[in-house]
Amino acid sequence: AQKVTQAQTEISVVEKEDVTLDCVYETRDTTYYLFWYKQPPSGELVFLIRRNSFDEQNEISGRYSWNFQKSTSSFNFTITASQVVDSAVYFCALSEYQAGTALIFGKGTTLSVSS
Amino acid sequence: EAQVTQNPRYLITVTGKKLTVTCSQNMNHEYMSWYRQDPGLGLRQIYYSMNVEVTDKGDVPEGYKVSRKEKRNFPLILESPSPNQTSLYFCASSLSALAGVQETQYFGPGTRLLVL
Repeated sequence: AQKVTQAQTEISVVEKEDVTLDCVYETRDTTYYLFWYKQPPSGELVFLIRRNSFDEQNEISGRYSWNFQKSTSSFNFTITASQVVDSAVYFCALSEYQAGTALIFGKGTTLSVSS
Repeated sequence: EAQVTQNPRYLITVTGKKLTVTCSQNMNHEYMSWYRQDPGLGLRQIYYSMNVEVTDKGDVPEGYKVSRKEKRNFPLILESPSPNQTSLYFCASSLSALAGVQETQYFGPGTRLLVL
């Protein structure tokens, strides 16, 4: 069965600290997609990244970076030099190779960045 | 601007009073979907639609109906709302959901529903 686990419920850091949000997934499919979404206090869901199971290259986008490791079924998200505006709930999600399949979301990690 | 819109954004209603939450996208997306978000449970899919006139149940469809008469619109209907449907609802769309091509789903701003 497909499942996404975000073991960290809440993380608090001080501005400029680096922080890593963990995501572990379970799937029987060899082809699947992984996503990260950000939900700021205003409530909307903002897409951050999409990665397919055949592309294990790490990705960096500004202060954000993602580490995909199939061997440990993990897709971790690191924010470098965190800022107050990074405070949000972050969701990791999984989608399998199947038409019409839902995004399976983890329960989210609430990140609080204080100044 | 490419976007998914939902209306209303906030709604307070009473048990049993039929309501519709509208969802519209201007990106010519084929795939649309509804999710609900509840504390401790995360987001769960209610219904989805692969294209016009093609809809199917997600993980938590009980108490909901949908229709897809036009490509851009995907309304969520609660015919007899109950308090356990109090939740934050999101509509999402993606270019397609053909097997092997899991496009990114873009979400609307959310609708907060309170059923008394």
